[in-house]
Amino acid sequence: GAVVSQHPSWVICKSGTSVKIECRSLDFQATTMFWYRQFPKQSLMLMATSNEGSKATYEQGVEKDKFLINHASLTLSTLTVTSAHPEDSSFYICSAEPTRELLEQYFGPGTRLTVT
Amino acid sequence: GQNIDQPTEMTATEGAIVQINCTYQTSGFNGLFWYQQHAGEAPTFLSYNVLDGLEEKGRFSSFLSRSKGYSYLLLKELQMKDSASYLCAARDSNYQLIWGAGTKLIIKP
Repeated sequence: GAVVSQHPSWVICKSGTSVKIECRSLDFQATTMFWYRQFPKQSLMLMATSNEGSKATYEQGVEKDKFLINHASLTLSTLTVTSAHPEDSSFYICSAEPTRELLEQYFGPGTRLTVT
Repeated sequence: GQNIDQPTEMTATEGAIVQINCTYQTSGFNGLFWYQQHAGEAPTFLSYNVLDGLEEKGRFSSFLSRSKGYSYLLLKELQMKDSASYLCAARDSNYQLIWGAGTKLIIKP
């Protein structure tokens, strides 16, 4: 089956610093990758959709200058949380979609970010 | 607007059967997904329905009625490990997934 990895699995950083999270599709090429955020006991919230080689499409209310997304290749997308604050502490999950016609999104294991 | 509704929480007994309902309103429709998510983990795919009817996969079955904008996930022979959140998601005409808030299922011995 299709495998998506995320790195790091957890990270603790100080307020004001930036954190980069990587999402890789290991055995398939992902034309589209998605970034989600999930706060405790809440559902997934789509942050942005990225297609390889083009700018990401951000959901309403998500600051594109704060959450930088780069989808440089068909197997790698990165999310950089810039100038992180404690309220950015959350569970960040990426997913990858091989083609629009394929059935499902494949999720990475998630990255837990704690900003102190 | 687009919307997915599912119960916030359900409780069931080990060995029993539970049905988790989901209603959806989307701009166009390209399938209905069910995912399972254990606490602190990413969602894992359970089922996909695009045509009306019941899809059975082991202890789990999923049903879809497109005319009613309705789906359910049926879990049989419940096990303690089935305690998790179950997420319903509908794909709209732009192939974007619209997610429900999830149903937390609590299994009691």
